[in-house]
Amino acid sequence: QSALTQPPSASGSPGQSVTISCTGTSSDVGGYDYVSWYQQHPGKAPKLMIYEVSKRPSGVPDRFSGSKSGNTASLTVSGLQAEDEADYYCSSYAGSNVFGTGTKVTVL
Amino acid sequence: EVQLVQSGAEVKKPGESLRISCKGSGYSFTSYWISWVRQMPGKGLEWMGRIDPSDSYTNYSPSFQGHVTISTDKSISTAYLQWSSLKASDTAMYYCARGLRSADYWGQGTLVTVSS
Repeated sequence: QSALTQPPSASGSPGQSVTISCTGTSSDVGGYDYVSWYQQHPGKAPKLMIYEVSKRPSGVPDRFSGSKSGNTASLTVSGLQAEDEADYYCSSYAGSNVFGTGTKVTVL
Repeated sequence: EVQLVQSGAEVKKPGESLRISCKGSGYSFTSYWISWVRQMPGKGLEWMGRIDPSDSYTNYSPSFQGHVTISTDKSISTAYLQWSSLKASDTAMYYCARGLRSADYWGQGTLVTVSS
């Protein structure tokens, strides 16, 4: 199962929005509503930010939102803050799990 | 409080065997799958495989099938990841994580360094 495709980088100024895409196939992203997103700061373990395409775990700010259209899922971070600067990974479950290639988000 | 606590960093030589651990607490250990995730230096996350602690059923990524073994001892709420013969290319951070379709809790990571 090949890694899901994400852009290597994305950036935005404080207060702006940034959207990260995650492209798979009809066998993973497009076939199931089991897309999740993880945030990873340098030297830290990943943290779940979105599950089942658009659901937020308790404690995750509502600035983080997820969606899906066809074989592409997206994570939007609205009202960017300095602490949002991190690597973000999507993941899809389709019997087994696969991660995306990762996107480094920079807050300018 | 849900916690996954992993064993400490390891330095091994090529060809040696290794088992690292992940101890769950604060929840019913047999009610949630445990996955293992590799992160090579400066690289992204790779899902290796997972285990259902209730019956030890395992599911591996094709990329890791046959290279590692995932097991569990539910009596002590601990999952394991083991290698029989390490290679230099196994040098990485390894994370355990709880969940099947998404991972809501993660261990702190175990750094494995394989060098002659």
